[in-house]
Amino acid sequence: SYELTQPPSVSVSPGQTARITCSGDALPKQYAYWYQQKPGQAPVLVIYKDSERPSGIPERFSGSSSGTTVTLTISGVQAEDEADYYCQSGDNSGTYNWVFGGGTKLTVL
Amino acid sequence: EVQLVQSGAEVKKPGESLKISCKGSGYSFTSYWIGWVRQMPGKGLEWMGIIYPGDSDTRYSPSFQGQVTISADKSISTAYLQWSSLKASDTAMYYCARRAVGGVINDAFEIWGQGTMVIVSS
Repeated sequence: SYELTQPPSVSVSPGQTARITCSGDALPKQYAYWYQQKPGQAPVLVIYKDSERPSGIPERFSGSSSGTTVTLTISGVQAEDEADYYCQSGDNSGTYNWVFGGGTKLTVL
Repeated sequence: EVQLVQSGAEVKKPGESLKISCKGSGYSFTSYWIGWVRQMPGKGLEWMGIIYPGDSDTRYSPSFQGQVTISADKSISTAYLQWSSLKASDTAMYYCARRAVGGVINDAFEIWGQGTMVIVSS
């Protein structure tokens, strides 16, 4: 089955830039999406179609794609950004198959 | 306001049946796919399946096919996830989420319910 691979954890100090990667063989042909999940809350979409930001999401959140890796970048990290982040995409089967990465815990030191 | 409101937490015994719900409001319920996502305690997100309430077209993840049933009642704008015989391993938080209409087959889940915690314990 298709898998998306994320680092388990990333740590940054406030004001620095955090980069969270997600790797998958189908990513060159499939869009990626990113969700933020804070403890005890439902996930929130923060990036769609690799690099688009939904309304209401701060500009410090951005996304990019290069080959088999997509990256969520949070510039000027704030304490409130501490959360789990999940990438999501699909395989190249042409069928409905939502796949999530294992998640990355962002710690703001 | 567009929102999905899920039914409350459940505590059940192994072997019991269960049906949890997800009510949409603030939009045309029949025009958007509704997916279900499992999150086991301390673990990540897993897609279970998805339904189009307009015609009840339903697709399942291979991992959950035959384990759960997804349905919808468009007359009351509600989607359901049900089990016929629960196991302890079904203990998890379950989220419903509305799929975006962005022209992509595995598009984003743009709106999420608050989640329903299901605990299965003898």
